[in-house]
Amino acid sequence: AQSVTQLGSHVSVSEGALVLLRCNYSSSVPPYLFWYVQYPNQGLQLLLKYTTGATLVKGINGFEAEFKKSETSFHLTKPSAHMSDAAEYFCACMDTGRRALTFGSGTRLQVQP
Amino acid sequence: DTGVSQNPRHKITKRGQNVTFRCDPISEHNRLYWYRQTLGQGPEFLTYFQNEAQLEKSRLLSDRFSAERPKGSFSTLEIQRTEQGDSAMYLCASSLAGYNAGGYTFGSGTRLTVV
Repeated sequence: AQSVTQLGSHVSVSEGALVLLRCNYSSSVPPYLFWYVQYPNQGLQLLLKYTTGATLVKGINGFEAEFKKSETSFHLTKPSAHMSDAAEYFCACMDTGRRALTFGSGTRLQVQP
Repeated sequence: DTGVSQNPRHKITKRGQNVTFRCDPISEHNRLYWYRQTLGQGPEFLTYFQNEAQLEKSRLLSDRFSAERPKGSFSTLEIQRTEQGDSAMYLCASSLAGYNAGGYTFGSGTRLTVV
């Protein structure tokens, strides 16, 4: 069964610093991969997704992620953190041909002034 | 369009009672999904519908849980004989069939507390 591992349940960065949130997946076939953001008491919002094609994917709010098949990774980055980026971030995968997403346990990002 | 709407936002119930949640998807979306999220965890898939047909159910969906989407529009999720372990956030999402994989829009969820 596929699974998603997010390294680090909490990440703290200073405003303006690089954001790096790590995600590794376990699947026999490269799945579709996603990053979602969740603000308190709100639903999940799609940041970006990888299905096929270019392995560097750009999303909303300046985030991007790179699919690395050899490392089974899909890490999320942003060059310069903003206070408004403080939220919980979830990596997810979906096997091709299915509709169910498998989520990681999430990483809470704190941005210090 | 106001997005995916879930009601109620919060529900507190006594153990053993039945509860029902409602989800109104984006009107043109024909796929609808239910997920459950417990504290400190990512959402877990429960079930999904395409129009009124329930096409996939997770093993998490015990026989105390039932979901319907009678006219292919709104959906309800009922939990019978609630247990404390059912306390969680129940998330609904919708999408268009044939849309690129994962293009879900999530609602804000219904938080269930079983006391």
